[in-house]
Amino acid sequence: DGGITQSPKYLFRKEGQNVTLSCEQNLNHDAMYWYRQDPGQGLRLIYYSQIVNDFQKGDIAEGYSVSREKKESFPLTVTSAQKNPTAFYLCASKSVYQETQYFGPGTRLLVL
Amino acid sequence: AQRVTQPEKLLSVFKGAPVELKCNYSYSGSPELFWYVQYSRQRLQLLLRHISRESIKGFTADLNKGETSFHLKKPFAQEEDSAMYYCALSGPGANSKLTFGKGITLSVRP
Repeated sequence: DGGITQSPKYLFRKEGQNVTLSCEQNLNHDAMYWYRQDPGQGLRLIYYSQIVNDFQKGDIAEGYSVSREKKESFPLTVTSAQKNPTAFYLCASKSVYQETQYFGPGTRLLVL
Repeated sequence: AQRVTQPEKLLSVFKGAPVELKCNYSYSGSPELFWYVQYSRQRLQLLLRHISRESIKGFTADLNKGETSFHLKKPFAQEEDSAMYYCALSGPGANSKLTFGKGITLSVRP
């Protein structure tokens, strides 16, 4: 799991501002995922990508956007349309040959 | 639709006591079941998966298709077992999504 990095560790967003969370992996995994973790809610899938230049909405995609221009990178943008962005965001990746997802250390997003 | 239910939010036991973390699921087909664990200040990581049928850190979990359950058990809890535990489910195939339960906090007191 040391092969997945997320930055920054903490991020502050002002009202009406878009912010981008970084996720990079050097595990050569094809699939990457973004989850949101809230107390008492578990992990909820925001977006996922099985291959470069392709991605699908998860269960709570509204107010978020992603891109997958490189295999190693899957950035998540929290747009101003996301009215409750305060949460812990986790990125994960997976090989197509395994079922196990490997998680990054997370980014905590706070609203000023 | 696939769903995972962890009915309890918190389980507090004394060291040496048995532990059972409950997980029930809903899935029309043959699911893959997992337990993930998040220790304090550490990343979420896989603890075990039903298909491997192994014991990790003394924990075991048996898939009961009749009761649609995948409870996590350990006969003698240790203080280092204190963590957040998530049950998760995916369908077969490499492209299946992983659905998580809401998690349970296990606290093992000395």
